[in-house]
Amino acid sequence: EPEVTQTPSHQVTQMGQEVILRCVPISNHLYFYWYRQILGQKVEFLVSFYNNEISEKSEIFDDQFSVERPDGSNFTLKIRSTKLEDSAMYFCASSGGGSGDEQFFGPGTRLTVL
Amino acid sequence: AQSVTQLDSQVPVFEEAPVELRCNYSSSVSVYLFWYVQYPNQGLQLLLKYLSGSTLVKGINGFEAEFNKSQTSFHLRKPSVHISDTAEYFCAVSGRSSASKIIFGSGTRLSIRP
Repeated sequence: EPEVTQTPSHQVTQMGQEVILRCVPISNHLYFYWYRQILGQKVEFLVSFYNNEISEKSEIFDDQFSVERPDGSNFTLKIRSTKLEDSAMYFCASSGGGSGDEQFFGPGTRLTVL
Repeated sequence: AQSVTQLDSQVPVFEEAPVELRCNYSSSVSVYLFWYVQYPNQGLQLLLKYLSGSTLVKGINGFEAEFNKSQTSFHLRKPSVHISDTAEYFCAVSGRSSASKIIFGSGTRLSIRP
């Protein structure tokens, strides 16, 4: 069964450093998403991406964040200068894009900023 | 804007007992409704979704949910739980346009006692 994969599973970084979280969406999907879950809190939407551009972004997704689909398979989230409050579980998701289509979630990357 | 409220942060239940996890939502437009499950150290898995039609929706693992428009609720039920149902359960909504973002509730931790 096709699935969304994410690497690494756990990333530890120093405050102020850049991190890139990687995702491989399901191959025939057209829409891609990033969500995050701070420990003990709800899952929050960050950004959606379609046709090589951002479709929608939340208030959380400020200038420190960027997304890219550098090739036909990967979808990345870059945090340019990490802050302590960026520590969270980051989930990638993808969907076919039809109305009501299920978003399939990856297992997540746990980011720890020290 | 949409929001989701899960009133119970934790629900302890004995094995083979029935369970109901409550969810209420708020939206100025028609929405789709979802329940996701997150097993320990794993990603989010779709349990069931309501798009339209019958208000009683059956999902995986014996779960079902009922959409009640007048009460803006979408409670999740299972007649007999198993130890393997121990997980975090998230109620969620999305708009009806293609690839709408998902808005999650704060989650309910279901713990099953033998």
